[in-house]
Amino acid sequence: EVQLVESGGGFVQPGGSLRLSCSASGFTFSDNAMHWVRQAPGKGLEYVSTISTNGGSTYYADSVKGRFTISRDNSKNTLFLQMSSLRVDDTAVYYCVKASPVTTVTPYSDYWGQGTLVTVSS
Amino acid sequence: DIQMTQSPSSLSASVGDRVTITCRASQSINKYLNWYQQKPGKAPKVLIYAASSLQSGVPSRFSGSGSGTDFTLTISSLQPEDFATYYCQQSYRTPWTFGQGTKVEIK
Repeated sequence: EVQLVESGGGFVQPGGSLRLSCSASGFTFSDNAMHWVRQAPGKGLEYVSTISTNGGSTYYADSVKGRFTISRDNSKNTLFLQMSSLRVDDTAVYYCVKASPVTTVTPYSDYWGQGTLVTVSS
Repeated sequence: DIQMTQSPSSLSASVGDRVTITCRASQSINKYLNWYQQKPGKAPKVLIYAASSLQSGVPSRFSGSGSGTDFTLTISSLQPEDFATYYCQQSYRTPWTFGQGTKVEIK
């Protein structure tokens, strides 16, 4: 059974930093690209960042570029999101998301963690 | 970025109703269109990928169609567990983008 368990969320003041982690199990972690997707309270979904299987390729939404860094440790089946210079509008539930296998016709997000809440407020 | 526009934003329906949600892309995305269901306090769950392929384990009352810029999610006979918010999402080009969501409520 695929499991994605996020941790590291919490309350932080504007300008602060947080590091999110996602522990993965039930699949070959190193074979799958991974994403972070966030959802502000009462709002829709936004892709934040994506990392390739070996970490050699990354993508960031414009809203977080230069402030967030995605990384992974394939030896520990763990995905990370280092967030710095946090702003009030970064407040959201952050989901760790597994990309569909490369063999699928088109890419999609096939498994999601339960999410971790990040609250940025003074 | 590719903009995804869903309609309606919300709808009220009864158990047993046929429900249709549409999604329009701001440019052609071929069949790179996925549908997700989200219930309150829960993570989204994929229902349909590649516009019309049913994800394993998803009931057959859900179906998707379309190609290019116009897509549809249909629930053939609405069940109590289907009351939720539905999102379309394009994976044709980064950044992957979602529609704003359609909330399906009980009439």
